[in-house]
Amino acid sequence: AQTVTQSQPEMSVQEAETVTLSCTYDTSENNYYLFWYKQPPSRQMILVIRQEAYKQQNATENRFSVNFQKAAKSFSLKISDSQLGDTAMYFCAFSDMDSNYQLIWGAGTKLIIKP
Amino acid sequence: DTGVSQNPRHKITKRGQNVTFRCDPISEHNRLYWYRQTLGQGPEFLTYFQNEAQLEKSRLLSDRFSAERPKGSFSTLEIQRTEQGDSAMYLCASSFENYEQYFGPGTRLTVT
Repeated sequence: AQTVTQSQPEMSVQEAETVTLSCTYDTSENNYYLFWYKQPPSRQMILVIRQEAYKQQNATENRFSVNFQKAAKSFSLKISDSQLGDTAMYFCAFSDMDSNYQLIWGAGTKLIIKP
Repeated sequence: DTGVSQNPRHKITKRGQNVTFRCDPISEHNRLYWYRQTLGQGPEFLTYFQNEAQLEKSRLLSDRFSAERPKGSFSTLEIQRTEQGDSAMYLCASSFENYEQYFGPGTRLTVT
């Protein structure tokens, strides 16, 4: 069964700094998708970035980028120029066709951006 | 399009009562997922619909839980004979095929 592990329960950085959140996963599949979702306090889950496993190029979305290492089964999220509004729980998630693309989630990392 | 909506946003019920939640997905999305999230944890998959067909149910979903998606539009999740362990946030998400899932605001259930 696929598993997703986030080993950093909480992180905090100063505003404008760069922060990297770690995620590792386990699967025997070759084709799958990886996601980072953001859940601000008392607000809904928002997609931050998506990576298809067949793509070698790392996904980027403005200040957010990933470092996808398929062989190492690692999928980290880098947030550049962090802003106060980035304060949230960040979840790493996995999906594939065999599981009907249901999302399998890590436990989350609480990110606090300090002014 | 206004995104995925869920009602009610909050529900407080007494143990043993039945509750029903509703999810309205994004209109062109054919896939609909229900997840449950307890405080400080990542969500857990409950069930999945493709159009009106319920194609998968988690082992977590006891026989007190039932879900429907009539006509492939909105979906309802019913919990019968609620227990305190059912207290959680119930999240609904929709997607078009295997593209990314968009989430609703969730329904927070408190069982007293």
